[in-house]
Amino acid sequence: EIVMTQSPATLSVSPGERATLSCRASQSVSSNLAWYQQKPGQAPRLLIYGASTRATGIPARFSGSGSGTEFTLTISSLQSEDFAVYYCQQYNNWPPLFTFGPGTKVDIK
Amino acid sequence: QVTLRESGPALVKPTQTLTLTCTFSGFSLSTSGMCVSWIRQPPGKALEWLALIDWDDDKYYSTSLKTRLTISKDTSKNQVVLTMTNMDPVDTATYYCARIPDGAVAGTFDYWGQGTLVTVSS
Repeated sequence: EIVMTQSPATLSVSPGERATLSCRASQSVSSNLAWYQQKPGQAPRLLIYGASTRATGIPARFSGSGSGTEFTLTISSLQSEDFAVYYCQQYNNWPPLFTFGPGTKVDIK
Repeated sequence: QVTLRESGPALVKPTQTLTLTCTFSGFSLSTSGMCVSWIRQPPGKALEWLALIDWDDDKYYSTSLKTRLTISKDTSKNQVVLTMTNMDPVDTATYYCARIPDGAVAGTFDYWGQGTLVTVSS
């Protein structure tokens, strides 16, 4: 089973600053990696799929990169609405295998 | 537009069976490539994928939970049902249903329900 790890667990950033979040897979998932944003009390929202393609309606300040086992989500200039928890998810061998990372919380510095 | 909504009991007792229903609109589960999945999230914890059913009625389950889970669909009612047997307090979580579309986004969960919190307690 593929294990996903994310770092850091918490990232404190000031509004307007850049945030860089990391996701690592225990084995290659090619580019079959998605990122989600979750705000308190809400369902996750798909941000990025295919490691680097923004989902419909996602602002350009969100970008994804990487392939194989190392992935990055970058938020170029944090807005107040971006403070949330971010999860990565691999779907390299679906179905049946989907795995989420433990999440990175982005909070206000 | 695509919507999904989970329904079911908010409280179940240990050893009982949980039955959750996902009612959706804006797409058809008879469309080739379309899938609906269940995912859960214990309070303050990460997301855990549980089960998936596809347009062709193929079913897939989490390895760790497959002996306890059953997923089914009623295409005419636009519903997907998940049952989980032998509930335990560690199963306390918000349960989400989500759509997996066809195409380039396949394999990801592009639309989610709002979730339903299920508490397991005597």
